[in-house]
Amino acid sequence: GAGVSQSPRYKVTKRGQDVALRCDPISGHVSLYWYRQALGQGPEFLTYFNYEAQQDKSGLPNDRFSAERPEGSISTLTIQRTEQRDSAMYRCASSPPGFRGNQETQYFGPGTRLLVL
Amino acid sequence: AQTVTQSQPEMSVQEAETVTLSCTYDTSESDYYLFWYKQPPSRQMILVIRQEAYKQQNATENRFSVNFQKAAKSFSLKISDSQLGDAAMYFCAFLRGGTSYGKLTFGQGTILTVHP
Repeated sequence: GAGVSQSPRYKVTKRGQDVALRCDPISGHVSLYWYRQALGQGPEFLTYFNYEAQQDKSGLPNDRFSAERPEGSISTLTIQRTEQRDSAMYRCASSPPGFRGNQETQYFGPGTRLLVL
Repeated sequence: AQTVTQSQPEMSVQEAETVTLSCTYDTSESDYYLFWYKQPPSRQMILVIRQEAYKQQNATENRFSVNFQKAAKSFSLKISDSQLGDAAMYFCAFLRGGTSYGKLTFGQGTILTVHP
């Protein structure tokens, strides 16, 4: 079946502009996660949802970053007033519902590469 | 807070040989999961293998196996019969179990080069 999809795959924007990054999880997956990955480093957690509820947003760097998942499926990560330091790969992942040993595994999308000029 | 350490920034192996990538972690939790993810040049994140802390048996997936030493908090990945397609950056990751699951904590990564 289809995996996690993200759009756009690449985004170039000017400093000060707002951007919205979209994630479409694997069908039936109830948990959705956002991570940010700098070049040459491991991904860092931003936030996650169970259905439409945002369970943990402790990794969002500041109040310019927000995320929503209003219908429990597609999610949008929004960065307002972008800065050059926001340039990174933004990754989305989802995990299935169900029994222990199944729901813990996260499947990643291809990522959105954001460049702020 | 949990930390994950990969002490080998780079490793290399000859095609068809075996290589082991190291990972250590620090946690006070008893219920957790450990993962290895592969990131090829395309920068996809591909799950390689997972291990539940409550299982003593080491996980295996075809040519990939782990050596999970819970007391030592060590979780190494062994790749047997290495292939050119195994060349990638490999990340070790930790996930706390129970009802608080969600946040994966990643190590810094190890770049694996496979020589023909």
